[in-house]
Amino acid sequence: GAGVSQSPRYKVAKRGQDVALRCDPISGHVSLFWYQQALGQGPEFLTYFQNEAQLDKSGLPSDRFFAERPEGSVSTLKIQRTQQEDSAVYLCASSDLDTQYFGPGTRLTVL
Amino acid sequence: GDSVTQMEGPVTLSEEAFLTINCTYTATGYPSLFWYVQYPGEGLQLLLKATKADDKGSNKGFEATYRKETTSFHLEKGSVQVSDSAVYFCALNSGGYQKVTFGTGTKLQVIP
Repeated sequence: GAGVSQSPRYKVAKRGQDVALRCDPISGHVSLFWYQQALGQGPEFLTYFQNEAQLDKSGLPSDRFFAERPEGSVSTLKIQRTQQEDSAVYLCASSDLDTQYFGPGTRLTVL
Repeated sequence: GDSVTQMEGPVTLSEEAFLTINCTYTATGYPSLFWYVQYPGEGLQLLLKATKADDKGSNKGFEATYRKETTSFHLEKGSVQVSDSAVYFCALNSGGYQKVTFGTGTKLQVIP
């Protein structure tokens, strides 16, 4: 595709609900990353995939956060039992060589 | 661990003024350095990059030089435009799989 796409662009959830955020990377990109960007801050690393393998999940803030990429293309970030502190923009990026290309993000608001 | 420190904003400049946004870093090995830009309501876009010491990245009139001796990667532009108003993020990666560490961002506002 032309770029990284993410859906939904905006998500409002009530505290305690589960949410699923989708990322479609650039076609052919092996590496895929998820970041969390709090208001007024820079993005912070959550997790990394190489093809379907999740090689680093050290940035996931709790076991309520789960990510998958079963066929090595589309990825889903799932947050269970959402809390207010989960409110942020969730960014997906795919990369070739040493440059990451970011999607527009999903803005999650937990009420 | 890796870290990036950039000057706090907001930075307010008049159109055609000279821009410098300072960025310093701490990293293991020999990181690649980046500037990303985030325009209002849009996602992060790569502005420029440099992959080794003394390299100069440039794009759209913006420049930054990889200075290993001072661990810096300052962003400059000779004459800013209103359309340059955005948040600018300095970033690096030094991991084998390109995990990127970002600074906190500097908001630039250019007034006519």
